[in-house]
Amino acid sequence: EAEVAQSPRYKITEKSQAVAFWCDPISGHATLYWYRQILGQGPELLVQFQDESVVDDSQLPKDRFSAERLKGVDSTLKIQPAELGDSAMYLCASRKTAARGTGELFFGEGSRLTVL
Amino acid sequence: KNQVEQSPQSLIILEGKNCTLQCNYTVSPFSNLRWYKQDTGRGPVSLTIMTFSENTKSNGRYTATLDADTKQSSLHITASQLSDSASYICVVSAGNNRKLIWGLGTSLAVNP
Repeated sequence: EAEVAQSPRYKITEKSQAVAFWCDPISGHATLYWYRQILGQGPELLVQFQDESVVDDSQLPKDRFSAERLKGVDSTLKIQPAELGDSAMYLCASRKTAARGTGELFFGEGSRLTVL
Repeated sequence: KNQVEQSPQSLIILEGKNCTLQCNYTVSPFSNLRWYKQDTGRGPVSLTIMTFSENTKSNGRYTATLDADTKQSSLHITASQLSDSASYICVVSAGNNRKLIWGLGTSLAVNP
């Protein structure tokens, strides 16, 4: 069964360091999302891609976060410099784009970031 | 303001028992409502997706209901198992751009 792949699964870093997360969506899924989930809370959308274009990055802290999906397939989320408050689970999700459909969302296993 | 509220915040039940989780939303315009199960430290997994015209949808021992008039949904779990211990999150898709509004989830613990 096709899955959304994410790496690394766990990352421990010191504050002010750079960190990057990678996501490979299910083949053929044009829409890709990056979410941040703080322990005990629901996921918060950081950025949404449609193919290689950013559709929504209104909640992305652009002074330190960046995301790209250069060829419209896999994607990278970067944090530089990392801060203590960035400790969270970073989830990637993908779905086929459907103009009027329900578009089921498939999530990866997430990347757990701990900033010391 | 688009919001999704879930209750209870947490719940403990004994294995084999049934339970019902609630979701109230103030989202307009409504597109669809989803229930996700999230095991600790894992990504969410879709249980059901319901559109405006659907009142009930089942997925094994999980049954979701939707009342679009009162803007309420429930997730009923029958004959609970230890593996049902997880967070259950209600998500409503809003507007033409299908923006997803997430609830904070109900944390369910099933004890032997």
